[in-house]
Amino acid sequence: GEDVEQSLFLSVREGDSSVINCTYTDSSSTYLYWYKQEPGAGLQLLTYIFSNMDMKQDQRLTVLLNKKDKHLSLRIADTQTGDSAIYFCAEGSGSARQLTFGSGTQLTVLP
Amino acid sequence: DSGVTQTPKHLITATGQRVTLRCSPRSGDLSVYWYQQSLDQGLQFLIQYYNGEERAKGNILERFSAQQFPDLHSELNLSSLELGDSALYFCASSAGPGQANYGYTFGSGTRLTVV
Repeated sequence: GEDVEQSLFLSVREGDSSVINCTYTDSSSTYLYWYKQEPGAGLQLLTYIFSNMDMKQDQRLTVLLNKKDKHLSLRIADTQTGDSAIYFCAEGSGSARQLTFGSGTQLTVLP
Repeated sequence: DSGVTQTPKHLITATGQRVTLRCSPRSGDLSVYWYQQSLDQGLQFLIQYYNGEERAKGNILERFSAQQFPDLHSELNLSSLELGDSALYFCASSAGPGQANYGYTFGSGTRLTVV
């Protein structure tokens, strides 16, 4: 079945860039997503990328996709304390009826 | 506010009891998904309904059941509760029946504590 993996923790200094990585196994993955979960809240969709794209930029967020290595990354430029949260990578394919999520990466932004 | 409403926000109950979690999808969305989030298992897909019919089933225990009503709200029923059922239960919705092209919209979750 599908599997999505992420490292559990990342700490960065305020103002630095954060890079959160994700690997997935389903080669038929068509859509890949990044969600953000703040304490006590639900998951908020940050951005998504189609598998025929290599990169997508949205303000401070840059998503890179290496389809050959099945590797997805989320770069947050000029990381702020408000970016501290858990970030989930998720994948979905045309045939799947639900998204498969990674375990989440806890991003801590230090002042 | 995401537009997906889940009630109650918190629930504390004893082992062996039964509870019902409720979800109202975002306006216009026909699909409802239930996920369980626990510390050791991460986000696990439980079940999906589309326009009143069960569409997909994940790691849902036989003690758990769900349904989607004509007004599209959904309920997740958890019975014979065990300590290990303590978790955050999320509902999400999307417009279509299958492809999650543009992702789901999540509710803020129901935190269930079984004591």
